[in-house]
Amino acid sequence: QKEVEQDPGPLSVPEGAIVSLNCTYSNSAFQYFMWYRQYSRKGPELLMYTYSSGNKEDGRFTAQVDKSSKYISLFIRDSQPSDSATYLCAMSPGDSNYQLIWGAGTKLIIKP
Amino acid sequence: SQTIHQWPATLVQPVGSPLSLECTVEGTSNPNLYWYRQAAGRGLQLLFYSVGIGQISSEVPQNLSASRPQDRQFILSSKKLLLSDSGFYLCAWSVDGGSYNSPLHFGNGTRLTVT
Repeated sequence: QKEVEQDPGPLSVPEGAIVSLNCTYSNSAFQYFMWYRQYSRKGPELLMYTYSSGNKEDGRFTAQVDKSSKYISLFIRDSQPSDSATYLCAMSPGDSNYQLIWGAGTKLIIKP
Repeated sequence: SQTIHQWPATLVQPVGSPLSLECTVEGTSNPNLYWYRQAAGRGLQLLFYSVGIGQISSEVPQNLSASRPQDRQFILSSKKLLLSDSGFYLCAWSVDGGSYNSPLHFGNGTRLTVT
């Protein structure tokens, strides 16, 4: 069993829809949770960062952590074609880039 | 502003040939540097990281090695490539090792195909 599971997609939705992207994990020690966005043929870029449980909002993006269920989500409101990308979750038990465990990524397609 | 350069963008090499991928960072001093491999259907795998010149930590025993000859230069090498070395190689930097206030900044990667 992988430590971090992420549906590879592709997930195809119409423009303007609310998108929900998810990751599940098995290590209850994970405390730091990140979402990175990766456009085709590019490197990933940090989108959202949360510590422990709760929600964090940034514009059209909301990151949610449910540690009791070992489940994290990224919601995108009013989705745009420019949101089409692969979304990677990453997490770690400590505040350390070296300890990050990554999901395989979900490919998202927003249809105009 | 800080930028990261990684080259080449694509590379096709025969089995048994050597490899050298280079990464340089501009606009910052003493960055933490990382080499990752991204395989289809799998998460990013940390291969090497470096906190300073000549300091390399290896995360996965394999056919690859890394060197940091200068503060902002990171090189990934192999003496003899294997088919299993094919993949998308990403270089990244961060201000320090902590993830909360020091996120990873990635280059645009090298697509390596070993034939």
